[in-house]
Amino acid sequence: SQQGEEDPQALSIQEGENATMNCSYKTSINNLQWYRQNSGRGLVHLILIRSNEREKHSGRLRVTLDTSKKSSSLLITASRAADTASYFCATAFSGNTPLVFGKGTRLSVIA
Amino acid sequence: DGGITQSPKYLFRKEGQNVTLSCEQNLNHDAMYWYRQDPGQGLRLIYYSQIVNDFQKGDIAEGYSVSREKKESFPLTVTSAQKNPTAFYLCASTLGAATTNEKLFFGSGTQLSVL
Repeated sequence: SQQGEEDPQALSIQEGENATMNCSYKTSINNLQWYRQNSGRGLVHLILIRSNEREKHSGRLRVTLDTSKKSSSLLITASRAADTASYFCATAFSGNTPLVFGKGTRLSVIA
Repeated sequence: DGGITQSPKYLFRKEGQNVTLSCEQNLNHDAMYWYRQDPGQGLRLIYYSQIVNDFQKGDIAEGYSVSREKKESFPLTVTSAQKNPTAFYLCASTLGAATTNEKLFFGSGTQLSVL
């Protein structure tokens, strides 16, 4: 499978701490995207990083991409209870093919 | 408000029955997608359509059928051939038909359960 793999599967932290989630994939990509899903809801796009980029920021989110290691990380700084959700990475391969999603990391932020 | 509307939110299927999940978008997006999500799992692609009157199978198309007669509508039928249909179904769309570099916009999902 070309599916990305997130690590850890579940993460529980205190409010105010930083949360780091990792994603590894198997083949060369065009871009990698991160999505968030609240329980029982649809996914929401967070950030897209292209294969020629190494780092992107959006508010409290920081995404890095290491194409030599075929891995990406999502850092959420100063976490809040409202950040509690599942986070998925999705990879876009070359060619006109749809995104492939990983199994996600379930983040719990305890107030 | 622009967005993707999925209905119903909850759906129950009797054995041997076909059921249809609705997905409508008013974003004027070219491409639409159906994903299946099982508990604690990621999303798996069922079907996608990049243009009206055309669609392609995803990774788990068996037991499902779709149509794309209008740009804004992409209904999914779960047929009786799908033996394990209980799952959360998500519809999504992208602005362009070329899927690379596009971000997905999702509906709020339909939970399908078997009676």
